[in-house]
Amino acid sequence: KNQVEQSPQSLIILEGKNCTLQCNYTVSPFSNLRWYKQDTGRGPVSLTIMTFSENTKSNGRYTATLDADTKQSSLHITASQLSDSASYICVVSRMMDSSYKLIFGSGTRLLVRP
Amino acid sequence: DTGVSQNPRHKITKRGQNVTFRCDPISEHNRLYWYRQTLGQGPEFLTYFQNEAQLEKSRLLSDRFSAERPKGSFSTLEIQRTEQGDSAMYLCASSSGDAGHAYEQYFGPGTRLTVT
Repeated sequence: KNQVEQSPQSLIILEGKNCTLQCNYTVSPFSNLRWYKQDTGRGPVSLTIMTFSENTKSNGRYTATLDADTKQSSLHITASQLSDSASYICVVSRMMDSSYKLIFGSGTRLLVRP
Repeated sequence: DTGVSQNPRHKITKRGQNVTFRCDPISEHNRLYWYRQTLGQGPEFLTYFQNEAQLEKSRLLSDRFSAERPKGSFSTLEIQRTEQGDSAMYLCASSSGDAGHAYEQYFGPGTRLTVT
């Protein structure tokens, strides 16, 4: 079964601290993996997209890693800010679906406290 | 602002009523997707259009749901005889489908449906 699992389910950190979110997937054949940020009541916004040949990609204070062999990805947030409070969703696309059908994880809810 | 707009942003309706949502994708995007998201979960795929053609429908899309994209631009999602289980956020996304890897899907803000 094609699944995407994320951990932790929720996380609370202090402003300025770093954190790492995890994503494990069993989707096959793999096409690409995306991390989205979703603010409460809003649609998801893409942070990074990685294909199987990429093992790290950064977007400002966000750095995603991908290990296609172990089917694991992580999203590292550096020097967290209050505005980072949101849900972070890991999304995997299956190759045969030509990327038009995405398989979403349930997300990690991050709360950054002052 | 991603450029995808959805209306209305919120809809409260009584069970049994029909509702219709609209999605306006980014103008040059030929692909349009509908998703449903319940609280604490990631979005689930409902259906997908390439231009005006509806190419796939999820099993989640019961016969009470219908989606259209008549001119290959905006799309509507109608739910007939709403049930309380239909309460969710309905998200629309669009992408260009250009050749290359990883077509980027841009999401709208969603329509929050509450069925009382």
